Amino acid sequence: NAGVMQNPRHLVRRRGQEARLRCSPMKGHSHVYWYRQLPEEGLKFMVYLQKENIIDESGMPKERFSAEFPKEGPSILRIQQVVRGDSAAYFCASSPPQGTPNEQFFGPGTRLTVL
Amino acid sequence: AQKVTQAQTEISVVEKEDVTLDCVYETRDTTYYLFWYKQPPSGELVFLIRRNSFDEQNEISGRYSWNFQKSTSSFNFTITASQVVDSAVYFCAGFPKGGSEKLVFGKGTKLTVNP
Repeated sequence: NAGVMQNPRHLVRRRGQEARLRCSPMKGHSHVYWYRQLPEEGLKFMVYLQKENIIDESGMPKERFSAEFPKEGPSILRIQQVVRGDSAAYFCASSPPQGTPNEQFFGPGTRLTVL
Repeated sequence: AQKVTQAQTEISVVEKEDVTLDCVYETRDTTYYLFWYKQPPSGELVFLIRRNSFDEQNEISGRYSWNFQKSTSSFNFTITASQVVDSAVYFCAGFPKGGSEKLVFGKGTKLTVNP
């Protein structure tokens, strides 16, 4: 059973370009969370999605950031017109359908560098 | 709102020493869930344990043990006979029962185990 997969592992963008980060949850998991880790800091929640639905986006910046989890395919975190302050590690986590709170299993992260 | 405090920013020990990492989880909720994650130098996040607030029984897994005390909101993590491979950043996190189960993380404790 493969773990949570994220690609690319490393992404370099110039200011003003778009960044697309992909996340494939573990098999059987229908809940996806995105977190951002700035240098020397802990992780901060960004968004929580289920298939075709955004459940909680309270941690998403108001502009330039969007996320989706389509019926088919991976979850995508999209950052438009990137700025240097977007440089961070972006982690995706997945968990099974809820009923009893479950641990979230994390992917290896995508390290975004904005030049 | 919840707050996770890991007062120890960095700890350095010599191999075979025991080490305890502190975590305090502040919340007004009576039921909540606490987690520990390990982030080794390679960068991925590894799930270690989940604890429910209504279960104060200590837990031991090999060289790892966890002590939860609801009265002080503390969820401490002890590594017995530390090894060089234990060197990592350790994050404590939690969320209250109900809601979107988005993890609130502490800032992490960097543990260095020297040979």
